[in-house]
Amino acid sequence: AQSVTQPDIHITVSEGASLELRCNYSYGATPYLFWYVQSPGQGLQLLLKYFSGDTLVQGIKGFEAEFKRSQSSFNLRKPSVHWSDAAEYFCAVGGRNTGFQKLVFGTGTRLLVSP
Amino acid sequence: NAGVTQTPKFQVLKTGQSMTLQCAQDMNHEYMSWYRQDPGMGLRLIHYSVGAGITDQGEVPNGYNVSRSTTEDFPLRLLSAAPSQTSVYFCASSASGLPGQPQHFGDGTRLSIL
Repeated sequence: AQSVTQPDIHITVSEGASLELRCNYSYGATPYLFWYVQSPGQGLQLLLKYFSGDTLVQGIKGFEAEFKRSQSSFNLRKPSVHWSDAAEYFCAVGGRNTGFQKLVFGTGTRLLVSP
Repeated sequence: NAGVTQTPKFQVLKTGQSMTLQCAQDMNHEYMSWYRQDPGMGLRLIHYSVGAGITDQGEVPNGYNVSRSTTEDFPLRLLSAAPSQTSVYFCASSASGLPGQPQHFGDGTRLSIL
């Protein structure tokens, strides 16, 4: 069965500093991987996705993520955080062999940005 | 440019009451789904639909019913609300049900059961 672990519940980063949010997945084959962001009171917005090919994926808002098969990880990074990046971030995994779309989400990491 | 629209945004119910959460999308997406979001648990799939007339259960379907009579609408029904169903509910859609399709989310319905 698919599963996703986001080990950090909260992370605080100074504005302008770099960011890395961790995501580890469990799946028997190469999965589809996603990062979503949720601002307060809003739904989830897709930041980026990995399907195949280049393991470094570029997304919106200056975010990128790297798929590392050997570590079963898909960590999200940003070189310089802005105050507007404060939100909750969710990693999700989708199986290639489930027939139809069934995403499994991690429990989320809340990002706080300090001045 | 509406995308996925959920109504109502907030609702308070008493235990045992019934209610329908509405979800509509204007992108002609085939695949629609309902999730609930609880603190410390991420999003969990309740029900999903791969097209009009076709629905199936997700991870946590008990206590919820769905139907899909049109491509645009995918309502979620609580027949007899229970306090354990207090949650934030999200509807999502994607172009197809094929694995890997990114999903578009509504802004959520915050439901409290007293």
